[in-house]
Amino acid sequence: AQTVTQSQPEMSVQEAETVTLSCTYDTSESDYYLFWYKQPPSRQMILVIRQEAYKQQNATENRFSVNFQKAAKSFSLKISDSQLGDAAMYFCAYKAAGNKLTFGGGTRVLVKP
Amino acid sequence: NAGVTQTPKFHILKIGQSMTLQCTQDMNHNYMYWYRQDPGMGLKLIYYSVGAGITDKGEVPNGYNVSRSTTEDFPLRLELAAPSQTSVYFCASSYLLETQYFGPGTRLLVL
Repeated sequence: AQTVTQSQPEMSVQEAETVTLSCTYDTSESDYYLFWYKQPPSRQMILVIRQEAYKQQNATENRFSVNFQKAAKSFSLKISDSQLGDAAMYFCAYKAAGNKLTFGGGTRVLVKP
Repeated sequence: NAGVTQTPKFHILKIGQSMTLQCTQDMNHNYMYWYRQDPGMGLKLIYYSVGAGITDKGEVPNGYNVSRSTTEDFPLRLELAAPSQTSVYFCASSYLLETQYFGPGTRLLVL
């Protein structure tokens, strides 16, 4: 069974600084998708960024970028120029065939003004 | 487009009662999902549907039922509610194998 592990329960970052969230996963599949979702206090799940495993190029979305290391099964998220609105829970998720998402346990990001 | 909408936003249910959580999407997505999120945890898949009339169990289906009579709607039924079903419930939808889009969630308290 696929598993997703986020080893950092909480990360703190100064406003305008950069923070990196870790995610590792276990799979025997070669074709899959990886996602980062943001969950603010409103509890809604918001897609931040996604990565297709067959693409070597790391995905970027404005201030958010990933470091995808397929051989190491690692998928970290970097938030640059952190803003107060970035404070939230961040979940790493994996999806292969069958369209089922498997989530990690989450990392809480605190942004200090 | 409203995206994925869920009702109610919050509900208190007594032990043994039943209720239906509503989910509707207006993106013409064929895949729909129900997840639950317990405090401090990630989401776990309850049921999913690949199209009208087709549903299948996820990771934690016990105590729940679903139906999918239309593309737009995917209600989740709780029968004989138990305190262990206190959680936040998320509905999501996607087109084929594309990204899942989530609703705002329903917070359910079973007392």
